[in-house]
Amino acid sequence: SQQGEEDPQALSIQEGENATMNCSYKTSINNLQWYRQNSGRGLVHLILIRSNEREKHSGRLRVTLDTSKKSSSLLITASRAADTASYFCAPKTRVNYGGSQGNLIFGKGTKLSVKP
Amino acid sequence: NAGVTQTPKFQVLKTGQSMTLQCAQDMNHEYMSWYRQDPGMGLRLIHYSVGAGITDQGEVPNGYNVSRSTTEDFPLRLLSAAPSQTSVYFCASSGDYYNEQFFGPGTRLTVL
Repeated sequence: SQQGEEDPQALSIQEGENATMNCSYKTSINNLQWYRQNSGRGLVHLILIRSNEREKHSGRLRVTLDTSKKSSSLLITASRAADTASYFCAPKTRVNYGGSQGNLIFGKGTKLSVKP
Repeated sequence: NAGVTQTPKFQVLKTGQSMTLQCAQDMNHEYMSWYRQDPGMGLRLIHYSVGAGITDQGEVPNGYNVSRSTTEDFPLRLLSAAPSQTSVYFCASSGDYYNEQFFGPGTRLTVL
């Protein structure tokens, strides 16, 4: 399966705390992407980390990738109420690996709730 | 750029009716996909296209048809609506196989 699996399924924290979400996958990847979905909205791309990268930062976001363990983590530092959303990881396989080319397969996501 | 647009935003159908969900993008992207999202199920891929004239099935293609006559448009057709197709439908596009996907705002469909 090309699907990523997010853990935990739900996470509730206070404003100002850090939030960590994990993603595991089973295939060999070219990159791994993280997306956010606010309630009732379309997904928004947050960050892409390539298979030869171990860590990447974007603002308050920090993503790590361990290809030997086939896992990734997303850290949101100093969380805000506006970070309340569902977060999805999407591993991107190399071209011609298995089926479903040219698209991403999503898991069920981590539902993050940040309380003021 | 408008990005990815979807129409309609909401739709109610009766069982057995047919309809087309519209999706358009103005970014000249080759890759386009349709997903459905049900509560607690995440997103599931219905159909996708890697360019005009080329489409393929995703995880849950039954009951849906697609075509890609232009780069910009990727309509999704429900042939004979069933209550099990009640869902939120998202269209997405990408300029490259490996790049990020851009999502539309979604169409919320209810089949009675």
